[in-house]
Formats: sequence, structure tokens, C-alpha cells
Amino acid sequence: GQQLNQSPQSMFIQEGEDVSMNCTSSSIFNTWLWYKQEPGEGPVLLIALYKAGELTSNGRLTAQFGITRKDSFLNISASIPSDVGIYFCAGQPLNNAGNMLTFGGGTRLMVKP
Amino acid sequence: DADVTQTPRNRITKTGKRIMLECSQTKGHDRMYWYRQDPGLGLRLIYYSFDVKDINKGEISDGYSVSRQAQAKFSLSLESAIPNQTALYFCATSGGTGYWTEAFFGQGTRLTVV
Repeated sequence: GQQLNQSPQSMFIQEGEDVSMNCTSSSIFNTWLWYKQEPGEGPVLLIALYKAGELTSNGRLTAQFGITRKDSFLNISASIPSDVGIYFCAGQPLNNAGNMLTFGGGTRLMVKP
Repeated sequence: DADVTQTPRNRITKTGKRIMLECSQTKGHDRMYWYRQDPGLGLRLIYYSFDVKDINKGEISDGYSVSRQAQAKFSLSLESAIPNQTALYFCATSGGTGYWTEAFFGQGTRLTVV
């Protein structure tokens, strides 16, 4: 099946630092999504991207849909302790009529106060 | 109350036992999904259903079966559990029509097969 390579796998940063993570694929995607999973909870959608080149912000979060349609990044500015969690990218591959998402392996973010 | 509710939240079962995980939703969505999460592997799709009469296999359906009892209910069964089915299982829903819709996830069921 489709594969998304998400990096880094984990990050341990100081509160206040900026964070960047990304996803790449060898295939073209129609949609890129970024989810956050907190301990004991299911993933929650943060940002959805629908067009190549699209740059979207949600508070301190900014994500972009790569122009080649094969990658996306998520930036978090001025991190705070509640940013801790696992961040997943997900994409809907081209020619996927079933609304099925392919997920990356996740980036585990740890923030030191 | 959660929009997507999974039961049980935690379960320990023995190898060879049959087990059912249940999911119910109050969002009125037509589409429901079962995913499995393993460390470092993200979420992988097991089965999905677009409506009550529609069931489709996902990426990793071997060893699993599902039943869509109603629009709001979608259950996942392990007919004969094995240890490598130990994982975190998520139910999700999405609704609306068109190109893409947002997926809403339940809180997960942590299954351990011993």
C-alpha cells in the first residue's frame, strides 16, 4: 500500500522553541492532514490541506501542502508543555475514491518546561 | 459524552479466544472505520464501511471481521486472537459527501493477547 515517511520519529525540545516535522511520499496525494494524539485519546485533526502549495495556520501551528503533492510539513512555534503528544500526518492518495487515509508513523514530541 | 464511543477501553484476552470490540457514534456519519495502531507504524486501516450494507477490507484485514449493525454501530471481531494482534485499536467516522471529509476518532481500545 501507500507509505508515508514521517520525520523525525521523536523530538525533545525546550519550552519556547519552534518545532518542525514533515512527511514525504513517493506517490501523489490529493489531501494532507495533520493529527495530534494525546495520551489515552484518539487522534484529533489539527489542520487539513487540499491544494498543492497551500499554507494554512491554526494558532501557533502552520502546515503546508508541498508543491509536488508528495510532501507536507507542520511547524509549531513557541512550543508549550501542552504541545506534548504524537503528531501524525495523513494523506488521501490520488485516485482513492474511498476516502481512505494513509498515516505516517508519527512524531512523538516532548517539551521540557 | 463522546461523539465516537469505543468499548471496552482495555481488554486482556487469551490466545485463541474470540473477542469483539464495539464502536458507536452519535455524529450521524455514514462512514465508519477500524484502525490499528502499533508504535512507529501509525494507524493502519483494518476495515471500513460506507453504509449499513457496505463492508470493505482495508490494508490489514486478515484475522479480523466486522459487522455494521446499524448506521451508528460498527463492531470489530477477532475470531481467534493471537499475540501479534496486541495493539491499540481505533474506530473512526466521517460524513458528508464529496472529495474528502474529516475523520473523528474514538478514544481507542487497548487490546492485549496473552
